[in-house]
Amino acid sequence: GAGVSQSPSNKVTEKGKDVELRCDPISGHTALYWYRQRLGQGLEFLIYFQGNSAPDKSGLPSDRFSAERTGESVSTLTIQRTQQEDSAVYLCASTPVPSSYNEQFFGPGTRLTVL
Amino acid sequence: GDSVTQMEGPVTLSEEAFLTINCTYTATGYPSLFWYVQYPGEGLQLLLKATKADDKGSNKGFEATYRKETTSFHLEKGSVQVSDSAVYFCALSGSYNTDKLIFGTGTRLQVFP
Repeated sequence: GAGVSQSPSNKVTEKGKDVELRCDPISGHTALYWYRQRLGQGLEFLIYFQGNSAPDKSGLPSDRFSAERTGESVSTLTIQRTQQEDSAVYLCASTPVPSSYNEQFFGPGTRLTVL
Repeated sequence: GDSVTQMEGPVTLSEEAFLTINCTYTATGYPSLFWYVQYPGEGLQLLLKATKADDKGSNKGFEATYRKETTSFHLEKGSVQVSDSAVYFCALSGSYNTDKLIFGTGTRLQVFP
């Protein structure tokens, strides 16, 4: 079956513009996670969805960042009024059920560059 | 809060050399521990995991043992190959009733023939 997919693969935008990043998890996976990786740093957790609700949003860095998930499937991460420090690779992961024992399956990422 | 510290890279080795990448963690509770790998041009994928103290995870010749007494999960391989060149990430999950992964900064391994 298909893995986690993300679009676009690359996005270049100007400072101050809004961007939307999309994640399609593996079919049937109820848990979905967003992470970001800034250059030279590890992955930072952003937000976690269980079904369509987000019980853990603790990693969202500011109120410019928001995310939603619909139909227990596709998720969209929106960054408003982008800043240069938002430049990073944004990764999405999914897992069949939420569990600390389970492998998370990662998508290829969206590389965001804010000029 | 919870955190993962791993050795900085790049680690440069000749083929068939022994590999150790150190990883230590800080966590309350009983986290699960993971090594993820990112090969050039590919996405992040699980290499191995251990879910309780003294467990050993292994895959593709790599091993790591969950040491609660030293809060460590060092990655080892007896004989590396050029194809092992990648970035390796240590991570933990499961503290504070959350399943998010907390990652180290990653270690780049370069293996030369």
